[in-house]
Amino acid sequence: DIQMTQSPSSLSASIGDRVIITCRASQSISSCLNWYQQKPGKVPKVVIYSASSLQSGIPSRFSGSGSGTDFTLTISSLQPEDFATYSCQQSCSVPHTFGQGTKLEIK
Amino acid sequence: QLQLQESGPGLVKPSETLSLTCTISGGSINSGSYFWAWLRQPPGMGLEWVATISYTGITYYNPSLESRLTISADTSQNQFSLRLSSVTAADTAVYFCARLTTHGSGSHYHYWGQGTLVTVSS
Repeated sequence: DIQMTQSPSSLSASIGDRVIITCRASQSISSCLNWYQQKPGKVPKVVIYSASSLQSGIPSRFSGSGSGTDFTLTISSLQPEDFATYSCQQSCSVPHTFGQGTKLEIK
Repeated sequence: QLQLQESGPGLVKPSETLSLTCTISGGSINSGSYFWAWLRQPPGMGLEWVATISYTGITYYNPSLESRLTISADTSQNQFSLRLSSVTAADTAVYFCARLTTHGSGSHYHYWGQGTLVTVSS
């Protein structure tokens, strides 16, 4: 199985901050990397797919980059609705695997 | 708009079989080249992929659960289902059904059901 490791596991930030979350795969996954946002008690929502493609309806302050084994999710200017847990997921091979999540909290 | 809805018992006894159904509305299970999946999330933990069935009926299982899993589809009811046998407390989780959207660089879980909490307890 491909292991997905995110860092940090939690992050405190303020409104307007630029935030970067990283995800590392245990082997190369090309661009088969998705990012999900999940709020407590809610359903995960894809924000970035194929490493850098912005899902329709997601604000442009979200962006993704990377290929191979190292990926980043960037939120350029945090808004109140962005505080959530973010998880990466690889879809290059079965079993699809997720990172452990990064909890983004208000400072 | 595609909608997915999980249904099934919220409480299952240890060693018994967990059975869940996902009902699809706003679309057909066998239209388009879509894959349909189950995922789960134990309380306070991360997401885990469980199983997938393709529009042609090909099945894919998480190797860590495969010996206990069955995923199936009922096109007449526009549903797909999951059975997980010999459950233990470790199988307690919110179970989600989802539809994958495929593209050049893999696929992503685009549409999700609301999730249903299944607790394994006597």
